[in-house]
Amino acid sequence: GENVEQHPSTLSVQEGDSAVIKCTYSDSASNYFPWYKQELGKRPQLIIDIRSNVGEKKDQRIAVTLNKTAKHFSLHITETQPEDSAVYFCAASYKLSFGAGTTVTVRA
Amino acid sequence: DAGITQSPRHKVTETGTPVTLRCHQTENHRYMYWYRQDPGHGLRLIHYSYGVKDTDKGEVSDGYSVSRSKTEDFLLTLESATSSQTSVYFCAISEPTGGNTEAFFGQGTRLTVV
Repeated sequence: GENVEQHPSTLSVQEGDSAVIKCTYSDSASNYFPWYKQELGKRPQLIIDIRSNVGEKKDQRIAVTLNKTAKHFSLHITETQPEDSAVYFCAASYKLSFGAGTTVTVRA
Repeated sequence: DAGITQSPRHKVTETGTPVTLRCHQTENHRYMYWYRQDPGHGLRLIHYSYGVKDTDKGEVSDGYSVSRSKTEDFLLTLESATSSQTSVYFCAISEPTGGNTEAFFGQGTRLTVV
């Protein structure tokens, strides 16, 4: 089955700086890579996703890049704001195997 | 929000008792998932279903069984609850055909086994 590893487990950034979270996956057949954000006490919600036929996707301050050869993908958050503080999860394939999550804290 | 409801939202049960959690959807999505969420472990897939009566195991399926007799309901059963199954359980739904493959999560069920 798919194995997804996510790093780092915690990330603290100054407001306005960028944050980068990286994930690797094991199944070369995986072709769908979503990112979810979970605020404290709430359910995870999709923030961005990318398919294997695309190398990069951007939506305002967030972007995702995919390297299929190396089997890794990354989430980039620019100009971080306090409301970006949350746990972020990457996933691979429609089976939705998740990474262990990254707790992002944006310092004011 | 997508039409997905988990019940119960909270449950305390004793070790050794059977427990069933229910996930109900009104979106007619083909895929349904059960996850458990524990500190430091993220979201771990227990079982998933890709259609009525079609289910498969996830990474932490031991001690859990599932059933899906109709599209809208996906049941998770702990045959004999143990303290290690104390967790927050999330159900999710998705329809990975067509243009929208987003998965929607239920509100979660907090299960405590004492």
